[in-house]
Amino acid sequence: DAGVIQSPRHEVTEMGQEVTLRCKPISGHDYLFWYRQTMMRGLELLIYFNNNVPIDDSGMPEDRFSAKMPNASFSTLKIQPSEPRDSAVYFCASSLTPANTEAFFGQGTRLTVV
Amino acid sequence: GQNIDQPTEMTATEGAIVQINCTYQTSGFNGLFWYQQHAGEAPTFLSYNVLDGLEEKGRFSSFLSRSKGYSYLLLKELQMKDSASYLCAVSPENRDDKIIFGKGTRLHILP
Repeated sequence: DAGVIQSPRHEVTEMGQEVTLRCKPISGHDYLFWYRQTMMRGLELLIYFNNNVPIDDSGMPEDRFSAKMPNASFSTLKIQPSEPRDSAVYFCASSLTPANTEAFFGQGTRLTVV
Repeated sequence: GQNIDQPTEMTATEGAIVQINCTYQTSGFNGLFWYQQHAGEAPTFLSYNVLDGLEEKGRFSSFLSRSKGYSYLLLKELQMKDSASYLCAVSPENRDDKIIFGKGTRLHILP
């Protein structure tokens, strides 16, 4: 397996524009996580899915953020409209049973909103 | 609430030993993880502890005390490539599957 695949690797956009981040988890992993990482706040859990169903979205900062998982091999994180404070590295991770097994992270998307 | 604390930065010398501490206060406990993250890269799994005691894996060992809400990662025979951030993470709930990360400890290795 190629591991967790995220696209794009880098995204620069203007404030107010819509941004869509994509993730392909490892085949067979039932759990998918979206994290945001900044120097100030570290690695924050935004939302996670189990078998394509959103389980906990309490970490999503506000209504501008939304995430979907239409099937077991694809998820998106959308920010609309984007703001400069959304600039961060966004990681997607997948896992079998996250409570006691490792999570595999994608290479991340570095988002810059100007 | 959930809280995970670890030092922001540490410095050690090549060939030496370093211990990175992590304390946590969570509503429950279902396991503790350590991840390594090199600059500009994704976190990668190092260790998992669910029972008290020391788990050894090569040059790296991880210790857990559940009663104290405390863990440490011990790195021996430090190499320059060990320069990275080390993230402590906790699975806080028995019936929940999310993992909460600390902010990480940036470890600098000096020659």
